[in-house]
Amino acid sequence: DQQVKQNSPSLSVQEGRISILNCDYTNSMFDYFLWYKKYPAEGPTFLISISSIKDKNEDGRFTVFLNKSAKHLSLHIVPSQPGDSAVYFCAATDSNYQLIWGAGTKLIIKP
Amino acid sequence: DVKVTQSSRYLVKRTGEKVFLECVQDMDHENMFWYRQDPGLGLRLIYFSYDVKMKEKGDIPEGYSVSREKKERFSLILESASTNQTSMYLCASSKGVKIEQYFGPGTRLTVT
Repeated sequence: DQQVKQNSPSLSVQEGRISILNCDYTNSMFDYFLWYKKYPAEGPTFLISISSIKDKNEDGRFTVFLNKSAKHLSLHIVPSQPGDSAVYFCAATDSNYQLIWGAGTKLIIKP
Repeated sequence: DVKVTQSSRYLVKRTGEKVFLECVQDMDHENMFWYRQDPGLGLRLIYFSYDVKMKEKGDIPEGYSVSREKKERFSLILESASTNQTSMYLCASSKGVKIEQYFGPGTRLTVT
Protein backbone atom coordinates (compact mmCIF):
# COMPACT_ATOMS: atom_id res chain seq x y z
CA ASP A 1 0.00 0.00 0.00
CA GLN A 2 1.55 3.26 -1.16
CA GLN A 3 1.86 5.72 1.70
CA VAL A 4 2.98 8.54 -0.60
CA LYS A 5 1.12 9.03 -3.86
CA GLN A 6 1.80 11.20 -6.84
CA ASN A 7 -1.25 10.59 -8.97
CA SER A 8 -0.10 12.44 -12.07
CA PRO A 9 2.56 10.48 -13.96
CA SER A 10 3.21 13.50 -16.16
CA LEU A 11 2.44 17.19 -16.48
CA SER A 12 2.96 19.55 -19.38
CA VAL A 13 3.24 23.33 -18.76
CA GLN A 14 3.99 26.30 -20.96
CA GLU A 15 7.26 28.09 -20.29
CA GLY A 16 6.71 31.08 -18.01
CA ARG A 17 3.52 29.71 -16.45
CA ILE A 18 3.08 28.08 -13.06
CA SER A 19 3.76 24.38 -12.57
CA ILE A 20 1.89 22.68 -9.74
CA LEU A 21 2.92 19.19 -8.70
CA ASN A 22 0.81 17.34 -6.19
CA CYS A 23 1.48 14.70 -3.58
CA ASP A 24 -0.84 12.91 -1.14
CA TYR A 25 0.09 10.82 1.86
CA THR A 26 -1.77 8.46 4.14
CA ASN A 27 0.42 8.20 7.24
CA SER A 28 -0.47 10.90 9.77
CA MET A 29 2.86 10.25 11.55
CA PHE A 30 4.82 11.81 8.70
CA ASP A 31 6.28 15.07 9.96
CA TYR A 32 8.78 16.09 7.30
CA PHE A 33 8.37 16.25 3.55
CA LEU A 34 10.85 16.72 0.74
CA TRP A 35 10.84 17.30 -3.00
CA TYR A 36 13.58 15.98 -5.21
CA LYS A 37 14.24 16.60 -8.87
CA LYS A 38 15.73 14.00 -11.18
CA TYR A 39 17.17 14.39 -14.66
CA PRO A 40 17.62 11.29 -16.87
CA ALA A 41 20.82 9.33 -16.12
CA GLU A 42 21.43 11.35 -12.93
CA GLY A 43 20.61 10.78 -9.29
CA PRO A 44 17.84 12.79 -7.61
CA THR A 45 18.84 16.16 -6.19
CA PHE A 46 17.23 17.75 -3.17
CA LEU A 47 15.01 20.71 -4.03
CA ILE A 48 13.00 21.90 -1.06
CA SER A 49 11.50 20.58 2.16
CA ILE A 50 8.86 21.43 4.73
CA SER A 51 8.30 20.47 8.32
CA SER A 52 4.81 19.61 9.54
CA ILE A 53 4.86 22.61 11.85
CA LYS A 54 4.73 24.88 8.80
CA ASP A 55 2.24 25.18 5.98
CA LYS A 56 4.48 26.91 3.47
CA ASN A 57 8.14 27.09 2.57
CA GLU A 58 9.64 29.20 -0.18
CA ASP A 59 12.98 29.11 -1.97
CA GLY A 60 13.26 31.35 -5.00
CA ARG A 61 10.93 30.09 -7.72
CA PHE A 62 9.94 27.05 -5.65
CA THR A 63 7.25 26.98 -2.99
CA VAL A 64 5.94 23.97 -1.14
CA PHE A 65 2.52 24.05 0.52
CA LEU A 66 1.40 21.57 3.16
CA ASN A 67 -2.21 20.89 4.08
CA LYS A 68 -2.05 18.52 7.04
CA SER A 69 -5.79 18.06 7.40
CA ALA A 70 -6.03 16.92 3.78
CA LYS A 71 -2.69 15.05 3.95
CA HIS A 72 -1.68 16.85 0.81
CA LEU A 73 1.31 18.82 -0.32
CA SER A 74 2.10 20.63 -3.51
CA LEU A 75 5.15 22.10 -5.20
CA HIS A 76 4.70 25.34 -7.14
CA ILE A 77 7.28 26.48 -9.66
CA VAL A 78 6.89 30.06 -10.86
CA PRO A 79 7.82 30.91 -13.53
CA SER A 80 8.49 27.56 -15.17
CA GLN A 81 11.68 27.34 -17.20
CA PRO A 82 12.89 24.74 -19.75
CA GLY A 83 15.53 23.52 -17.28
CA ASP A 84 12.72 22.55 -14.91
CA SER A 85 11.80 19.65 -17.20
CA ALA A 86 12.57 16.61 -15.06
CA VAL A 87 10.95 13.97 -12.88
CA TYR A 88 9.89 15.30 -9.48
CA PHE A 89 9.66 12.99 -6.49
CA CYS A 90 7.82 13.70 -3.29
CA ALA A 91 9.16 11.97 -0.15
CA ALA A 92 8.03 11.84 3.46
CA THR A 93 9.41 10.65 6.78
CA ASP A 94 8.31 10.22 10.38
CA SER A 95 11.76 11.31 11.55
CA ASN A 96 13.28 7.85 11.58
CA TYR A 97 15.43 9.09 8.70
CA GLN A 98 13.99 6.63 6.23
CA LEU A 99 12.27 8.34 3.34
CA ILE A 100 9.07 7.01 1.79
CA TRP A 101 8.89 8.01 -1.86
CA GLY A 102 6.14 8.72 -4.34
CA ALA A 103 6.27 7.31 -7.85
CA GLY A 104 7.28 10.62 -9.40
CA THR A 105 5.74 13.12 -11.83
CA LYS A 106 7.44 13.90 -15.12
CA LEU A 107 7.26 17.65 -15.76
CA ILE A 108 7.60 18.85 -19.33
CA ILE A 109 8.05 22.56 -19.93
CA LYS A 110 6.99 23.55 -23.42
CA PRO A 111 8.76 26.50 -25.08
CA ASP B 1 30.76 20.00 -2.23
CA VAL B 2 28.78 16.85 -1.55
CA LYS B 3 29.91 13.90 -3.64
CA VAL B 4 28.52 10.40 -3.95
CA THR B 5 30.05 8.20 -6.63
CA GLN B 6 28.97 4.84 -7.95
CA SER B 7 31.38 2.42 -9.57
CA SER B 8 29.54 1.97 -12.86
CA ARG B 9 26.97 3.97 -14.80
CA TYR B 10 25.89 1.03 -16.94
CA LEU B 11 26.29 -2.68 -16.31
CA VAL B 12 25.13 -5.76 -18.22
CA LYS B 13 25.24 -9.11 -16.46
CA ARG B 14 23.99 -12.59 -17.13
CA THR B 15 21.41 -14.44 -15.06
CA GLY B 16 23.07 -16.21 -12.14
CA GLU B 17 26.14 -13.98 -12.00
CA LYS B 18 27.24 -12.37 -8.76
CA VAL B 19 27.11 -8.60 -9.08
CA PHE B 20 28.84 -5.97 -6.97
CA LEU B 21 27.72 -2.34 -6.98
CA GLU B 22 30.02 0.04 -5.14
CA CYS B 23 29.18 3.41 -3.64
CA VAL B 24 31.59 5.88 -2.11
CA GLN B 25 30.86 9.19 -0.40
CA ASP B 26 33.44 11.77 0.57
CA MET B 27 31.33 13.77 3.03
CA ASP B 28 31.94 11.77 6.21
CA HIS B 29 28.25 10.85 6.30
CA GLU B 30 27.14 8.25 8.82
CA ASN B 31 24.09 7.02 6.90
CA MET B 32 24.10 5.28 3.55
CA PHE B 33 21.26 3.83 1.51
CA TRP B 34 20.67 1.64 -1.52
CA TYR B 35 17.51 2.11 -3.59
CA ARG B 36 16.20 0.79 -6.83
CA GLN B 37 14.10 2.93 -9.10
CA ASP B 38 11.57 1.42 -11.48
CA PRO B 39 9.03 3.27 -13.66
CA GLY B 40 5.78 3.92 -11.84
CA LEU B 41 7.16 2.68 -8.53
CA GLY B 42 9.40 5.50 -7.40
CA LEU B 43 12.38 4.72 -5.22
CA ARG B 44 12.27 1.61 -3.10
CA LEU B 45 14.70 1.07 -0.25
CA ILE B 46 16.73 -2.13 -0.43
CA TYR B 47 19.14 -1.75 2.51
CA PHE B 48 20.57 1.01 4.63
CA SER B 49 23.35 1.48 7.12
CA TYR B 50 23.75 3.90 10.02
CA ASP B 51 27.31 2.98 10.87
CA VAL B 52 30.27 0.91 9.82
CA LYS B 53 29.53 -2.83 9.83
CA MET B 54 25.91 -2.08 10.56
CA LYS B 55 23.07 -2.84 8.11
CA GLU B 56 19.30 -2.83 8.16
CA LYS B 57 16.82 -4.27 5.68
CA GLY B 58 14.67 -1.89 3.75
CA ASP B 59 11.41 -2.65 1.96
CA ILE B 60 12.77 -5.04 -0.69
CA PRO B 61 15.92 -6.80 0.58
CA GLU B 62 15.22 -10.20 -1.00
CA GLY B 63 17.96 -11.25 -3.42
CA TYR B 64 20.37 -8.58 -2.16
CA SER B 65 23.01 -8.21 0.52
CA VAL B 66 25.24 -5.32 1.55
CA SER B 67 28.61 -4.64 3.08
CA ARG B 68 29.92 -1.61 4.94
CA GLU B 69 33.49 -2.18 6.05
CA LYS B 70 34.46 1.50 5.91
CA LYS B 71 32.45 4.61 6.68
CA GLU B 72 32.75 6.01 3.17
CA ARG B 73 31.90 2.84 1.25
CA PHE B 74 28.64 0.90 0.97
CA SER B 75 28.43 -2.07 -1.38
CA LEU B 76 25.33 -3.76 -2.76
CA ILE B 77 25.66 -7.41 -3.75
CA LEU B 78 23.34 -9.41 -5.96
CA GLU B 79 24.23 -12.97 -5.02
CA SER B 80 22.70 -14.51 -8.14
CA ALA B 81 21.38 -11.94 -10.57
CA SER B 82 17.94 -12.46 -12.04
CA THR B 83 16.13 -10.65 -14.84
CA ASN B 84 13.71 -9.03 -12.38
CA GLN B 85 16.67 -7.22 -10.86
CA THR B 86 17.11 -5.21 -14.05
CA SER B 87 16.71 -1.69 -12.75
CA MET B 88 18.31 1.66 -11.91
CA TYR B 89 20.22 1.39 -8.64
CA LEU B 90 20.76 4.54 -6.62
CA CYS B 91 23.05 5.04 -3.65
CA ALA B 92 22.51 7.88 -1.19
CA SER B 93 24.04 9.20 2.00
CA SER B 94 23.03 11.56 4.78
CA LYS B 95 24.68 13.17 7.77
CA GLY B 96 23.73 12.24 11.32
CA VAL B 97 20.21 13.30 12.17
CA LYS B 98 19.78 15.30 8.99
CA ILE B 99 17.06 13.93 6.76
CA GLU B 100 18.18 15.22 3.35
CA GLN B 101 19.86 12.48 1.36
CA TYR B 102 22.47 13.04 -1.33
CA PHE B 103 22.45 10.71 -4.28
CA GLY B 104 24.99 9.25 -6.64
CA PRO B 105 24.38 9.25 -10.41
CA GLY B 106 22.94 5.73 -10.41
CA THR B 107 23.86 2.43 -12.05
CA ARG B 108 21.65 1.12 -14.82
CA LEU B 109 21.87 -2.66 -14.42
CA THR B 110 20.57 -4.99 -17.11
CA VAL B 111 20.39 -8.71 -16.38
CA THR B 112 19.99 -10.89 -19.48
